[in-house]
Amino acid sequence: ETGVTQTPRHLVMGMTNKKSLKCEQHLGHNAMYWYKQSAKKPLELMFVYNFKEQTENNSVPSRFSPECPNSSHLFLHLHTLQPEDSALYLCASSPQGTDYGYTFGSGTRLTVV
Amino acid sequence: KNEVEQSPQNLTAQEGEFITINCSYSVGISALHWLQQHPGGGIVSLFMLSSGKKKHGRLIATINIQEKHSSLHITASHPRDSAVYICAVRSGTGNQFYFGTGTSLTVIP
Repeated sequence: ETGVTQTPRHLVMGMTNKKSLKCEQHLGHNAMYWYKQSAKKPLELMFVYNFKEQTENNSVPSRFSPECPNSSHLFLHLHTLQPEDSALYLCASSPQGTDYGYTFGSGTRLTVV
Repeated sequence: KNEVEQSPQNLTAQEGEFITINCSYSVGISALHWLQQHPGGGIVSLFMLSSGKKKHGRLIATINIQEKHSSLHITASHPRDSAVYICAVRSGTGNQFYFGTGTSLTVIP
């Protein structure tokens, strides 16, 4: 365990379903991130939260909706996804304003059918 | 063209060999990371560099800011080093991260 916990580890959902991915860290970090990793492509930064405030949204479709209720928890709400959204979704955290201690979770492997 | 290019894309080595993975980038950066991703997905941060050289056990990372190039070296490679190694840079202007597509390393006993 890295200190960043993601659940579930695997998720299969239909295109009409609504599901949520959860990320939790108790490292005392104030910045949290969602990344998408598709096959054969570089990691893509999706969202950044600093002190619970969203500071970056990298042109992510609205069918992905992030939520950060506090500095320790981050959610990614999913609805009406497409098969091309199938990917590994990774959460990361870091102390705000620095790259030291940048820590990734193990990811959620999402399959959209 | 990706802002971060890694080479080689795939690498197979015999146990004990010295391994080098290269990373070149085209943007101004504040820091460069080397990440290790094992099968199953979990990513571990190996190094963060802004200049010079760092060493941790059998791993050595170097960066040349003028040439916009970094290398990751593994000495006395071992099958447990088999993983995908990803180079990532944080832009000098903000929160933007750019990632390479990774180098898949297989170390054969």
